Amino acid sequence: GQQLNQSPQSMFIQEGEDVSMNCTSSSIFNTWLWYKQDPGEGPVLLIALYKAGELTSNGRLTAQFGITRKDSFLNISASIPSDVGIYFCAGLPGGNTPLVFGKGTRLSVIA
Amino acid sequence: KAGVTQTPRYLIKTRGQQVTLSCSPISGHRSVSWYQQTPGQGLQFLFEYFSETQRNKGNFPGRFSGRQFSNSRSEMNVSTLELGDSALYLCASSLMATSGANVLTFGAGSRLTVL
Repeated sequence: GQQLNQSPQSMFIQEGEDVSMNCTSSSIFNTWLWYKQDPGEGPVLLIALYKAGELTSNGRLTAQFGITRKDSFLNISASIPSDVGIYFCAGLPGGNTPLVFGKGTRLSVIA
Repeated sequence: KAGVTQTPRYLIKTRGQQVTLSCSPISGHRSVSWYQQTPGQGLQFLFEYFSETQRNKGNFPGRFSGRQFSNSRSEMNVSTLELGDSALYLCASSLMATSGANVLTFGAGSRLTVL
């Protein structure tokens, strides 16, 4: 089945730094989603991407749907302590196939 | 607008027991999906229900089952619990089935510990 390779697995950064993470796959996806999970909570949707090449921002977050439809990246600018959490990419292959998740990127921000 | 509600939030069971978890989707949402989250495997798809019908099933043994009621509320059941079933079980709802471009809204999860 489809798999998403998300990297890096974890990151330790200084407050104020920019962050970049990505997801790749050997399969094509019709939709890419980025979620953030805080401790003890369920994932919360950050950005949804529906078209190849699409670049979308949500505050300090920017995500892109790769032109090949096999990858996506998420950038966070000027990180702050509340950015701490696990970030998941998710892809929708299309057809009657459920959402597939990457294994997450654990972000730690050092003040 | 209330979010996705999962109960119970925490529970502890012993091997061999069975457990039932409940999920109330966002009002108006007809699709409910269940995922198992473990530190090593991330979010693994269990099943999806839409209008009381199971649309998709993940690669889990038959001990894992679910159902959806006419009011879109869903339950999942795990029988003959094993230590490896310890996980956070997440429920997510969407307006339509996930084969469309409908994003999932997650609940806070039910954390199951099997001793």
